[in-house]
Amino acid sequence: QKEVEQNSGPLSVPEGAIASLNCTYSDRGSQSFFWYRQYSGKSPELIMSIYSNGDKEDGRFTAQLNKASQYVSLLIRDSQPSDSATYLCAGDYNTDKLIFGTGTRLQVFP
Amino acid sequence: GAVVSQHPSWVICKSGTSVKIECRSLDFQATTMFWYRQFPKQSLMLMATSNEGSKATYEQGVEKDKFLINHASLTLSTLTVTSAHPEDSSFYICSARQGDEQFFGPGTRLTVL
Repeated sequence: QKEVEQNSGPLSVPEGAIASLNCTYSDRGSQSFFWYRQYSGKSPELIMSIYSNGDKEDGRFTAQLNKASQYVSLLIRDSQPSDSATYLCAGDYNTDKLIFGTGTRLQVFP
Repeated sequence: GAVVSQHPSWVICKSGTSVKIECRSLDFQATTMFWYRQFPKQSLMLMATSNEGSKATYEQGVEKDKFLINHASLTLSTLTVTSAHPEDSSFYICSARQGDEQFFGPGTRLTVL
């Protein structure tokens, strides 16, 4: 069974703090991982893709992939209230389609 | 990132009617598009994979005769909800694949009265 698991949250962090979002996956076969942000009532927006072990940074976002531990994470530095959303982790398991986690709701409070 | 549009953004229809939703990739060609459905406070649910020039592949439990998918060109896929009923009311979202990444359209909110 191909699965991607996330803690549903909510994860509450104060403004300016680092938010750490985590995701595990069940099968080593997945090569590519993606983080999407979904605001309430809106569609998902791709914020990070990561394909190899290690860290990938883009602005305030850092994605981390550890294939040996089957673990993907997203760090958001200097969290802002506008970052409050549901964050979806997805893996492709070397297929066309994505397997999504259920999402982690992040709340950034002023 | 790539841009995907959907039309209409919302639709209200009477029970028993059919509704067509369009998904377009605006600045790239997409041989593969996907249709999802999302109920309030629930996860995305993949309904089907739409491949240009061939029949769509439906996920288990999705009625192919009720949700008709046509992917007639490299930039357009359509989803038709036939004989819609109130339980079909949901947020329908398409996505298109460019390289290894999927980009989502803004979604269509369907309300069936």
